[in-house]
Amino acid sequence: GENVEQHPSTLSVQEGDSAVIKCTYSDSASNYFPWYKQELGKRPQLIIDIRSNVGEKKDQRIAVTLNKTAKHFSLHITETQPEDSAVYFCAATSGTYKYIFGTGTRLKVLA
Amino acid sequence: SAVISQKPSRDICQRGTSLTIQCQVDSQVTMMFWYRQQPGQSLTLIATANQGSEATYESGFVIDKFPISRPNLTFSTLTVSNMSPEDSSIYLCSVAISSYEQYFGPGTRLTVT
Repeated sequence: GENVEQHPSTLSVQEGDSAVIKCTYSDSASNYFPWYKQELGKRPQLIIDIRSNVGEKKDQRIAVTLNKTAKHFSLHITETQPEDSAVYFCAATSGTYKYIFGTGTRLKVLA
Repeated sequence: SAVISQKPSRDICQRGTSLTIQCQVDSQVTMMFWYRQQPGQSLTLIATANQGSEATYESGFVIDKFPISRPNLTFSTLTVSNMSPEDSSIYLCSVAISSYEQYFGPGTRLTVT
């Protein structure tokens, strides 16, 4: 069935360094790829997304890249700050509203 | 985005009982969804709440266990029936604002003893 793999499961970086989280999807019909940030005890928040007709999208310190051929997409966070510490989830959908979520990455930014 | 609220925010329930969770949105939305997030895990879609018709359930979830109502375009309820400790989770509603983007409610933390 449809599946989204996410790596790594945990990631520790020094403040100011970059962090990269990678996801691979199985459904070739997937055409929308959101990323959510979930802080402890809070709801998942949409931080950035990308559609299949775009290869890269940036929003300040975060960016997402998409490789449709390889069926993978990545989240890039530059100049990490302690407030970036959270669990990040990728997801994929073919536009039917049904999201398939990755397993999550716990990012810890060390001050 | 939309302002989404859920009630209750948390509850502790005894096994065998049922709990109904409410999700309210401040604007009309076409699609509403219910997810479960078990401790330390990812999000799993339970069902799509359809206005005016029966909810669409995902594999592994059944209406008898998780009955859902959607009386209008701003409100939905999820009932967790005949609860067992394995139902202890966070239950989140989400709404689709556009064709793709979904926004989540604050969640209901359920503990079954």
